[in-house]
Amino acid sequence: GQQLNQSPQSMFIQEGEDVSMNCTSSSIFNTWLWYKQDPGEGPVLLIALYKAGELTSNGRLTAQFGITRKDSFLNISASIPSDVGIYFCAGRLGAGNMLTFGGGTRLMVKP
Amino acid sequence: NAGVTQTPKFRVLKTGQSMTLLCAQDMNHEYMYWYRQDPGMGLRLIHYSVGEGTTAKGEVPDGYNVSRLKKQNFLLGLESAAPSQTSVYFCASSYEITGLAGIWGYNEQFFGPGTRLTVL
Repeated sequence: GQQLNQSPQSMFIQEGEDVSMNCTSSSIFNTWLWYKQDPGEGPVLLIALYKAGELTSNGRLTAQFGITRKDSFLNISASIPSDVGIYFCAGRLGAGNMLTFGGGTRLMVKP
Repeated sequence: NAGVTQTPKFRVLKTGQSMTLLCAQDMNHEYMYWYRQDPGMGLRLIHYSVGEGTTAKGEVPDGYNVSRLKKQNFLLGLESAAPSQTSVYFCASSYEITGLAGIWGYNEQFFGPGTRLTVL
């Protein structure tokens, strides 16, 4: 099946630093999504990208849909302790709203 | 409006035992999904349903069965649990966005809080 490679697998940063993570795929997608999972909770949608080249922000978060439709990145600026969690990318291609998820990036923020 | 709820939150089974996980949503969504989450592997789709009375296999369906007898509920069954089924299970729901020309999009999936299952 389709595979999404998400990197890095984990990050341990100082509060206030900027963070960047990305996903790449061997297949194209029509939609890229970024979710955040807090400990003990289900994933929550952060940003949705629907067009190649699209750059979208949500507060301190910025994500882009790659021109080739095979990649996406998520940036977090000025990290704070509540940014801790696991971030997942997901891609969608075609009908039925089926998503393929990346393996996740575990973010740890040191106050 | 509770969103997506899952029952139970935690469960420990012995190999060979059976159990059913319940997912309920109060948003009148057509689509429902069951995923499993394992370390470093993201979420993998087990089964899904595009409406009441319909189910379909996802990426990793073996060892699981599902039923969607009511629109708001999606049940995941393990007939004979195995240690390989130790995982965190998430349910999600979504709906189609339709227009005069038919389906033109989907809202994004809402996830439940998860069920942590351990099979000894």
